[in-house]
Amino acid sequence: QPQLVESGGGVVQPGGSLTLSCAASGFSFRHYAMHWVRQTPDKRLEWLAFIRSDAREVQYPDSLQGRFTISRDNSKNTVFLQMNNLRPEDTAVYFCCQARPTEWLMGTWGQGTPVTVSS
Amino acid sequence: IQMTQSPSSLSASVGDRVTITCRASQDIETYVNWFQQKPGKAPSLLIYQGSYLETGVPSRFSGSGSGAEFRLTISSLQPEDVATYYCQHYRFFPTFGGGTKVGIK
Repeated sequence: QPQLVESGGGVVQPGGSLTLSCAASGFSFRHYAMHWVRQTPDKRLEWLAFIRSDAREVQYPDSLQGRFTISRDNSKNTVFLQMNNLRPEDTAVYFCCQARPTEWLMGTWGQGTPVTVSS
Repeated sequence: IQMTQSPSSLSASVGDRVTITCRASQDIETYVNWFQQKPGKAPSLLIYQGSYLETGVPSRFSGSGSGAEFRLTISSLQPEDVATYYCQHYRFFPTFGGGTKVGIK
C-alpha cells in the first residue's frame, strides 16, 4: 500500500523559511508525479505545487508569487517543499499527495505536517 | 475557476439519500473529483473525473454532472459517512470547493 509521511513542520517567524519533506514507500516513487496541498485553519484546501516524475516539469499557482519551490530526490523516494518569506496566512497543515491514477489526480495523501507562522 | 459547494452543512438520518452540489464558475467538462475527509484525518479520493469510483469506495457513493454543475450522491447514508466532502476541479490548476459537512440526525 502506498504510504506518505510528511515532516519538517513547526513554528516559524514571519519572513522565515522552512523546508518540508515527504517520504514515500509502498510504490515505485520515481514513476509518479507528486503534489503538495495545504489546509488552512478554516478548513479550506489549497493546491500548492506539482512536480512530474522526472522533475522536468513543476507547476505552482500564481498566488504563491514564487515563494515556494518543489523538488524531489528519486534516489531517496522523497519530495520536498521549500517555503520562503513565510506569512501568517501560510499557517496550515501541509499534505503531500501521490498523483494517481493520472498526473493531476491526488489519489494518496500523507497525514500532513502543521506549519505555524507567528512571532 | 471558482468551485462553489452547497450546502455548507447538512444533517440527515441513517438510510437517507444525500446529495451535495458543486458549481464551477466556467465549463470544466468532467474534470471534477470528490474527496472525503473524516475528523482528524487527511482527505481521501472518493470519485474522479466526475463519476469514476476510486477503488475500495462503497457503491452507495456516486458522482454525476458535466459542464458547470456536479453532484455527489450518497444513496443510503451510513454512520461511517460522517465527514466533510470537498469537490475539486482539475481543468486547469486545481482548486477546491469550500466543503460540505455531513452529519447524522
